[in-house]
This record gives sequence, C-alpha cells and structure tokens, in this order.
Amino acid sequence: GNSVTQMEGPVTLSEEAFLTINCTYTATGYPSLFWYVQYPGEGLQLLLKATKADDKGSNKGFEATYRKETTSFHLEKGSVQVSDSAVYFCALGVKTSYDKVIFGPGTSLSVIP
Amino acid sequence: DAGITQSPRHKVTETGTPVTLRCHQTENHRYMYWYRQDPGHGLRLIHYSYGVKDTDKGEVSDGYSVSRSKTEDFLLTLESATSSQTSVYFCAIRAADRDEKLFFGSGTQLSVL
Repeated sequence: GNSVTQMEGPVTLSEEAFLTINCTYTATGYPSLFWYVQYPGEGLQLLLKATKADDKGSNKGFEATYRKETTSFHLEKGSVQVSDSAVYFCALGVKTSYDKVIFGPGTSLSVIP
Repeated sequence: DAGITQSPRHKVTETGTPVTLRCHQTENHRYMYWYRQDPGHGLRLIHYSYGVKDTDKGEVSDGYSVSRSKTEDFLLTLESATSSQTSVYFCAIRAADRDEKLFFGSGTQLSVL
C-alpha cells in the first residue's frame, strides 16, 4: 500500500541552525510529494511540492528533492528562525480516479532564540 | 485561503450522542475531504467527496457518515459518538484551479466524554 514515514520528533533547534526532517515513502506508480506545515491553532498549509523524480520543491528557504532511488523527500533549511516553529507533514498524492493525499505522522519543530 | 469554514470550532459531547460537523466552502470546488488529526498518526482520511451526492470512504471511516447535498457543504456525522472519536477534525478542498493544492479549514476540536 501507499504510506509515508517521517521522523516524529519533537525537534528542538537554536535559531540559525540547519534543519533536516527525513521523509521516506512507499507508493505504487509515480506519486507527487508534498510538505505541509501547521502553525499552532491553524489548519495545514502547503509548503512545497514536487511532482516527479529529481524535482526540487522550494519555498520560504525550505527545500526538498524528490529522490526516486531512495524513495525519499527530505525537508531542509539552511538557517531556521523562531517563526519556523510548527509541525511539518510529509505527504504523497496518488493519481487514482479520485486523488487522495496520504500524510505522515508529522514532525514538531521548536526553534529557540 | 479558499473560503473554507468549519463549524463548530469546538464541541464537547457525551458518549452515545449524535454529532454533526459542517464544512462550508465558497469557491465551488469539486473535491472535499474530512480528516482527523491525532498525535502519532498525523492526518487520516475519514471520507471524501468528488461531487454532489458522490462520496467514498477513507482509511478510518468506521463510525462516521457524510453527506453532500450541495457543492458548498460537506457534513460529517458521528451517529453515536465514542471517546475514541475525540480528535481534531479538518476539512479540506482540492483546488483544481490552483495546481491541485489542498486547502484546509481551521479545524474542529471535538471532545467526547
């Protein structure tokens, strides 16, 4: 079946530290891959996406590269800020008759000054 | 923002009572989804809809039913609430006109005592 695995955290970093959140997936066919972010008290928002192998999604200083050979889509940011504190969800979208998005368990990130 | 409103935002109810959560959208999107969010599980799909009167089950549909009599409204009903249904419920729409992004409502915090 289709599934997403990611490090659950919580992850605590100092401001300006380098961030990596690992995500691996299992899927049939060729899924699209996403990172969503959830700020406290809010719904999820799309952070970035990649639709095919070797694509790099980027937004707000975050990047992730679709690696088909390792079935991974790790999220990275070179220098985190306090405002990046949130829960990050890796997800995949399966192209079936009715597209469904499958989410990982989420990784909580806290950035301290 | 895709004009999604969830109601109520918070609800406390007793075991065995029926509960209906409402998701309302203002942009006529075809696809709508109900997810529940629980620690360690991320978001899990309960039911989804691909048009008026067209709905299907997600991965955790037991104990839930849905209805979509109008494009703009997608109702989630717990026929007889149980404590295991205490969760945060999110409605989402898929915007075909915005690169197929999922947009989420602000969530409903449901507590079943």
